[in-house]
Amino acid sequence: NAGVTQTPKFQVLKTGQSMTLQCAQDMNHNSMYWYRQDPGMGLRLIYYSASEGTTDKGEVPNGYNVSRLNKREFSLRLESAAPSQTSVYFCASSEVETVNTEAFFGQGTRLTVV
Amino acid sequence: GENVEQHPSTLSVQEGDSAVIKCTYSDSASNYFPWYKQELGKGPQLIIDIRSNVGEKKDQRIAVTLNKTAKHFSLHITETQPEDSAVYFCAAKAPSSNTGKLIFGQGTTLQVKP
Repeated sequence: NAGVTQTPKFQVLKTGQSMTLQCAQDMNHNSMYWYRQDPGMGLRLIYYSASEGTTDKGEVPNGYNVSRLNKREFSLRLESAAPSQTSVYFCASSEVETVNTEAFFGQGTRLTVV
Repeated sequence: GENVEQHPSTLSVQEGDSAVIKCTYSDSASNYFPWYKQELGKGPQLIIDIRSNVGEKKDQRIAVTLNKTAKHFSLHITETQPEDSAVYFCAAKAPSSNTGKLIFGQGTTLQVKP
């Protein structure tokens, strides 16, 4: 049981380049999330998807787009990378049928934009 | 929207001592408060959580307390061990969010000195 799998683990981009971060979960969860982690700022929600076919903006959506490809997969795209997007990105998933909605996180993608 | 503040940002204790991390939240309707531990190079993992109808919850050496009136909750780790060294995040979920969306605090880096 792999849980939440993110690819790639590391990436260096030049300013203006585009890339897609991939995320897949095998727990049959309805909801999926993308967070970014920056020093002193904790985990900030970029986008989330409550269920297959729906996506919504989080706290810091500017410069990103997402696609909920199917129930398992939720990708994050940077169309034109900027140095301010240098961060560690985490994908997470959860089942929201109960109040205790534990989120399961992937291992993260460390992205550097030069 | 919900805002979560976490203190301190760093905490250093001697092995065997206790550690306390505190968080405050802004949305009085929030009803679920998890704590996550993030070890170096890994994604956050749930260690304990509490619902708004409970004042305290314990699990071996860790406990969480909730004061709904003051809108704050705390993580208590007793008899700390070197393996407790990690980054800890608190989070809150509002019932208006039917997605399981969590808002995180800024994180606390705990160092346990042998």
